[in-house]
Amino acid sequence: NAGVMQNPRHLVRRRGQEARLRCSPMKGHSHVYWYRQLPEEGLKFMVYLQKENIIDESGMPKERFSAEFPKEGPSILRIQQVVRGDSAAYFCASSARGQLAGNEQFFGPGTRLTVL
Amino acid sequence: QKEVEQNSGPLSVPEGAIASLNCTYSDRGSQSFFWYRQYSGKSPELIMFIYSNGDKEDGRFTAQLNKASQYVSLLIRDSQPSDSATYLCAVNPPGGFKTIFGAGTRLFVKA
Repeated sequence: NAGVMQNPRHLVRRRGQEARLRCSPMKGHSHVYWYRQLPEEGLKFMVYLQKENIIDESGMPKERFSAEFPKEGPSILRIQQVVRGDSAAYFCASSARGQLAGNEQFFGPGTRLTVL
Repeated sequence: QKEVEQNSGPLSVPEGAIASLNCTYSDRGSQSFFWYRQYSGKSPELIMFIYSNGDKEDGRFTAQLNKASQYVSLLIRDSQPSDSATYLCAVNPPGGFKTIFGAGTRLFVKA
């Protein structure tokens, strides 16, 4: 069952370090979304990517955060110089179609980032 | 005004009853609407999606959409304790590519 895969599942970083989160979409899916979820809060959209393109990054903080989805390999969400406020669950979702065609999204298990 | 609003709950219903979850959205041009279920500590799981006004049924679940009222709901018939979770409403607003999630409604089904 080739669902959405994320790794690592848990990541601990000290303030100032870099966090790199990976997401492999479901087989046949070329649309990837990243969300952040704080405890007891809803999902906050961060970025939407297709292969080799960032389509919508309106939810990404302007500094320290970046995302990519290369032609080969997983999508990467990178957080530089992490701060305690970055501690959250980061979910990746994938869909077979883009928003205009009805984009039912399927979620990975998430990466729980803890910044010490 | 939040883009997607849900009552945070908790909504408590007895086993076998109908649970009714509601969601309103602010952008009138929104096209696609989704309901996800999220168990504590787990990732969201897609339950239903609806694109047209009216009702859509899938097993014990019925999604209802009223675009004129900017309202979407999820009915769960014959509620089971295993339905106890947080239910997230999600909407695709026009003019962009992101999906907006509500904060979720916690449902508790009492055995």
